[in-house]
Amino acid sequence: DVKVTQSSRYLVKRTGEKVFLECVQDMDHENMFWYRQDPGLGLRLIYFSYDVKMKEKGDIPEGYSVSREKKERFSLILESASTNQTSMYLCASRNTRTSVNYGYTFGSGTRLTVV
Amino acid sequence: GNSVTQMEGPVTLSEEAFLTINCTYTATGYPSLFWYVQYPGEGLQLLLKATKADDKGSNKGFEATYRKETTSFHLEKGSVQVSDSAVYFCALMANSGTYKYIFGTGTRLKVLA
Repeated sequence: DVKVTQSSRYLVKRTGEKVFLECVQDMDHENMFWYRQDPGLGLRLIYFSYDVKMKEKGDIPEGYSVSREKKERFSLILESASTNQTSMYLCASRNTRTSVNYGYTFGSGTRLTVV
Repeated sequence: GNSVTQMEGPVTLSEEAFLTINCTYTATGYPSLFWYVQYPGEGLQLLLKATKADDKGSNKGFEATYRKETTSFHLEKGSVQVSDSAVYFCALMANSGTYKYIFGTGTRLKVLA
């Protein structure tokens, strides 16, 4: 089975800190995605990457950046963490060599609290 | 633009009850439709999908039929179990090459023994 691993399940950071959320997938998927999940708002796309060194803004990129230097790793960076970035962050990947109708594989999520 | 609307939760049912979670969508063209499930403390898992009108997706006793005339993709299960307690997300993917999902807000299901 494809596995998407997020490095931390829980993180607590201070306001103003630079925060790195790491995501690694082990099946050579081209596409990778970062979402945040908030009650009543569902999942909102922050950034995505079609392939190595490629990145595109999603619906809510403000306050975030990403890095994809290697195909298996997609990092989400909070440049200066703020309390309104307290959320559950979900990483996902997708294989473009299969049908478009195959779904994403999600990681288990990182619950980030900014204090 | 494209959007997905799900019924508000939480939905609380007794074991063996019939489940329906409503999902309607707005989209141009012919999107693919999906249901994902999120068990407590976990990420989302693909539950079922349908790629064209009148297709029925099914898995683990859950079913959903792609109804283009009503722009709906309601999730149903004939007899729920306590282990079905989770959050369910409806999603669409426009067949326009971007491969991005539009998710609904999720519906929490709680099944009581």
